[in-house]
Amino acid sequence: SQQGEEDPQALSIQEGENATMNCSYKTSINNLQWYRQNSGRGLVHLILIRSNEREKHSGRLRVTLDTSKKSSSLLITASRAADTASYFCASGRNQGGKLIFGQGTELSVKP
Amino acid sequence: DVKVTQSSRYLVKRTGEKVFLECVQDMDHENMFWYRQDPGLGLRLIYFSYDVKMKEKGDIPEGYSVSREKKERFSLILESASTNQTSMYLCASSFPGTSGRDTGELFFGEGSRLTVL
Repeated sequence: SQQGEEDPQALSIQEGENATMNCSYKTSINNLQWYRQNSGRGLVHLILIRSNEREKHSGRLRVTLDTSKKSSSLLITASRAADTASYFCASGRNQGGKLIFGQGTELSVKP
Repeated sequence: DVKVTQSSRYLVKRTGEKVFLECVQDMDHENMFWYRQDPGLGLRLIYFSYDVKMKEKGDIPEGYSVSREKKERFSLILESASTNQTSMYLCASSFPGTSGRDTGELFFGEGSRLTVL
């Protein structure tokens, strides 16, 4: 069963604006990851945050993790048209090595 | 560059046919996974493997089997394809995570879009 839920399902913004996507999960995790998928392609890993971390940065990406609320957010700053893609969160559970993916947020960045 | 290669990008099969989806990785990863992706349902785990000849069921294993005879190759088999198996199939691989059995970064192939008529 899917553990992650993402919000919003779709997001449309203008170039230069920030995009925020949220993810919630149900069981305890040891890490949470974010992936990007261009239309019709495979997923590409963006960033991993461990359960003992609260915030992580990578370039224009900022990820937060709140284990008390079982939620994470991905912020893309100064978005570009090339950021148009679907974004997925994936939670790594404590037992076993499976990653459970959310349903994704479809981001559209208009030039 | 790390690479996960799926044998076919697009396949069209008939109901009842046996279908093989092949996945090869060149990164010496221990872990390999098969997911299917459907609109509105996200990615769902079918099977995964931590080692050669080892397999574990994911969340939706019914109607599928897998084979891992060599470390670099993980095959997904549909014994008798059905129309509800029309989907995008994604293979992924990873090293074990930092604490035993947790999962590190996944590397995905480009996907195999299967249509069953």
